[in-house]
Amino acid sequence: AQKITQTQPGMFVQEKEAVTLDCTYDTSDPSYGLFWYKQPSSGEMIFLIYQGSYDQQNATEGRYSLNFQKARKSANLVISASQLGDSAMYFCAMREGADGNNRLAFGKGNQVVVIP
Amino acid sequence: DVKVTQSSRYLVKRTGEKVFLECVQDMDHENMFWYRQDPGLGLRLIYFSYDVKMKEKGDIPEGYSVSREKKERFSLILESASTNQTSMYLCASSIPFRGRNGYTFGSGTRLTVV
Repeated sequence: AQKITQTQPGMFVQEKEAVTLDCTYDTSDPSYGLFWYKQPSSGEMIFLIYQGSYDQQNATEGRYSLNFQKARKSANLVISASQLGDSAMYFCAMREGADGNNRLAFGKGNQVVVIP
Repeated sequence: DVKVTQSSRYLVKRTGEKVFLECVQDMDHENMFWYRQDPGLGLRLIYFSYDVKMKEKGDIPEGYSVSREKKERFSLILESASTNQTSMYLCASSIPFRGRNGYTFGSGTRLTVV
């Protein structure tokens, strides 16, 4: 069964507008972490934001925020004030458990194109 | 600047060849991972290692093996390359604690098997 689901087709976003990328996850473990990564056309994977399952508040990192709805098992990424440099693939990922081996399961990604 | 280095950015190999993809990290990380990335499929875990000489199968280990003789180096081996192993291969490393410690990724190796 797929642990991370990202189903949105490619998105075009107007510069300076906000964009929300959907991510739902599936786990029965009470301890888990959720990550978002950005992959521009150059190919490197860039860490954006992290949310722990026990965190009381939604994570924020600059223009990135995570809309964490635990009961819905949803961890949507919100990018505010989009910039041309935000054009990239975005991956949601989850780490389950607390045993330290730290393996991440990734979704299939969302393609975002920011247009001027 | 801490880094994960993958030895080749682009690689072209023939069907049936034995292929080695090398990954080296300079952060003294215990955990290392190999993923392959294909359009529409995201990143899929091939193998990972949480210590020297230790290895664990990921979700798609068939056709691959790994070697970790030293902490800083994690090699992915394609025993007999096939065209369906044409893909982008990403190596990553991390430390084995809870919390926000995610991965540090290499820049990837785009392998084409002809």
